Amino acid sequence: RKEVEQDPGPFNVPEGATVAFNCTYSNSASQSFFWYRQDCRKEPKLLMSVYSSGNEDGRFTAQLNRASQYISLLIRDSKLSDSATYLCVVKTYNTDKLIFGTGTRLQVFP
Amino acid sequence: SAVISQKPSRDICQRGTSLTIQCQVDSQVTMMFWYRQQPGQSLTLIATANQGSEATYESGFVIDKFPISRPNLTFSTLTVSNMSPEDSSIYLCSAPPGPAANEQFFGPGTRLTVL
Repeated sequence: RKEVEQDPGPFNVPEGATVAFNCTYSNSASQSFFWYRQDCRKEPKLLMSVYSSGNEDGRFTAQLNRASQYISLLIRDSKLSDSATYLCVVKTYNTDKLIFGTGTRLQVFP
Repeated sequence: SAVISQKPSRDICQRGTSLTIQCQVDSQVTMMFWYRQQPGQSLTLIATANQGSEATYESGFVIDKFPISRPNLTFSTLTVSNMSPEDSSIYLCSAPPGPAANEQFFGPGTRLTVL
């Protein structure tokens, strides 16, 4: 079983739609959680950290459920520029290593 | 945030040769990381590069194939040795933006094609 699992997609949604991505992780010692965005032929860029209380940044909302070892990302009012691959990333307690999910590809169409 | 640069941005190499990739961070960082992203795949950690000590390699990666240098707190190199077409990949370095940071920022990557 992979340490971090995501639905690879692709998710094809119209502009203005709301889309949700899910991610599960297997190591209960995981401590820090992130969503990264990767555009085609570019490096991953941090989108947001994910906190137990949930956090929101504009149109983006991230949730963490430690009991279920589940992380989500909600994108509201999708824009064409949101088209990218979204990577779920986990860091285990007391290490500096980031473990990446396989990524979920989002394509927003006009 | 840390600004990270890599050289070269891309290269095409013949099998059996070696390529050294450079990574420069605009601030001093304790740890730097090297990842590989194979076509259509996610990122896999190759090794953690600590200044003043040998790099720590992940399962499946060995020093003879991927020697790493870390001469100071802002710079690291990764060498891909005795290359084969299976080494064709994007190689990325990363570093945390600060000593207490959990997240990492990435360089732009080096796109390697081995013929």
